[in-house]
Amino acid sequence: EAGVAQSPRYKIIEKRQSVAFWCNPISGHATLYWYQQILGQGPKLLIQFQNNGVVDDSQLPKDRFSAERLKGVDSTLKIQPAKLEDSAVYLCASSQGFGAFFGQGTRLTVV
Amino acid sequence: EDQVTQSPEALRLQEGESSSLNCSYTVSGLRGLFWYRQDPGKGPEFLFTLYSAGEEKEKERLKATLTKKESFLHITAPKPEDSATYLCAVGMDSSYKLIFGSGTRLLVRP
Repeated sequence: EAGVAQSPRYKIIEKRQSVAFWCNPISGHATLYWYQQILGQGPKLLIQFQNNGVVDDSQLPKDRFSAERLKGVDSTLKIQPAKLEDSAVYLCASSQGFGAFFGQGTRLTVV
Repeated sequence: EDQVTQSPEALRLQEGESSSLNCSYTVSGLRGLFWYRQDPGKGPEFLFTLYSAGEEKEKERLKATLTKKESFLHITAPKPEDSATYLCAVGMDSSYKLIFGSGTRLLVRP
């Protein structure tokens, strides 16, 4: 069974630029999560989808971050414009019920 | 406020020296507690799910237990390959929301 796929693995951008991350969840998983993990900290939930509807986006900085999940499958997370403090690993996870499975993450460096 | 706290932040052990990691939580509507292992540069890897107080799960040198307010991850006779960050997460209500603690960085020296 294929796992959660994320791309790119690494991205370096200048502040005020925009960036997008892509996630393909495990086939059949209705729930998709985006987490932000700053070095030395635990993952922080940014947004949670159930199929293509948003369940929780209370910690998503909506002035600069946006996310969508088209047709209840793939998802993209966008940052525009990026700030230095957005440097982190962005993790995508999916689940069918409880027990989420994670992708390898995208390491973003904002300079 | 829903909260998950892990301790210690970091732990250094000699190979074969057993110890325990703690995860305490204050959440409403707990639906499950999850332990993950995270190696540098990788995403968290699922280890265990615990659903009710008194439940225990084991995998090789790891054993997870759950009470009404906390969970422990016991590591028996650890090996250097057990070195990683161990993350605890709680699943909440019926929305499958997952909240993580800050993790415990474990280093096992040969």
